[in-house]
Amino acid sequence: AQSVTQLGSHVSVSEGALVLLRCNYSSSVPPYLFWYVQYPNQGLQLLLKYTTGATLVKGINGFEAEFKKSETSFHLTKPSAHMSDAAEYFCAVNEAGGTSYGKLTFGQGTILTVHP
Amino acid sequence: EAGVAQSPRYKIIEKRQSVAFWCNPISGHATLYWYQQILGQGPKLLIQFQNNGVVDDSQLPKDRFSAERLKGVDSTLKIQPAKLEDSAVYLCASSRQNLGNTIYFGEGSWLTVV
Repeated sequence: AQSVTQLGSHVSVSEGALVLLRCNYSSSVPPYLFWYVQYPNQGLQLLLKYTTGATLVKGINGFEAEFKKSETSFHLTKPSAHMSDAAEYFCAVNEAGGTSYGKLTFGQGTILTVHP
Repeated sequence: EAGVAQSPRYKIIEKRQSVAFWCNPISGHATLYWYQQILGQGPKLLIQFQNNGVVDDSQLPKDRFSAERLKGVDSTLKIQPAKLEDSAVYLCASSRQNLGNTIYFGEGSWLTVV
């Protein structure tokens, strides 16, 4: 079974500072990797995804993530945090193979707080 | 393009009562998922449908939870009888059939069992 570990349940940054949210996965097959954001009382919104090709993936709202196979990581970054980035972020892996391909396995989430 | 629609958004029930949640996926999406998100945790898959067939319900507590997707479009998730630990957000999601396609989520149905 595949799994996802997000290091740090809470991350706090100042407005304008670098955002780094860490995600490591375990997978026996090449994974498809996703980052979702969840604002209070809302569902999940896709930020970006990696399937194949370029390992540096750009998403919405200035976020990007790099797939590093050797490190089994897919960390999310943004050069300059904005107050509107405050939310909970989830890393997820797409299980391949069998009849339940397409199913997402999520990490436990990281709450991002942005200070003025 | 309309998103995934869910109702009701909020529900409070007493333990041992029943509740049902409805989901309408994005038009043309063959795959439909129900996830349970307990406060402070990531979503966990309860059941996955491909058209109107179940392809994964290994995490569904079948003694109290049931789900159906008649005609391969709308879906209903039912809990009967509810327990306190069922308090969670129930997220419906849909995607096209192919691996790696984006899974789109609805806004969720928030259940509180008292």
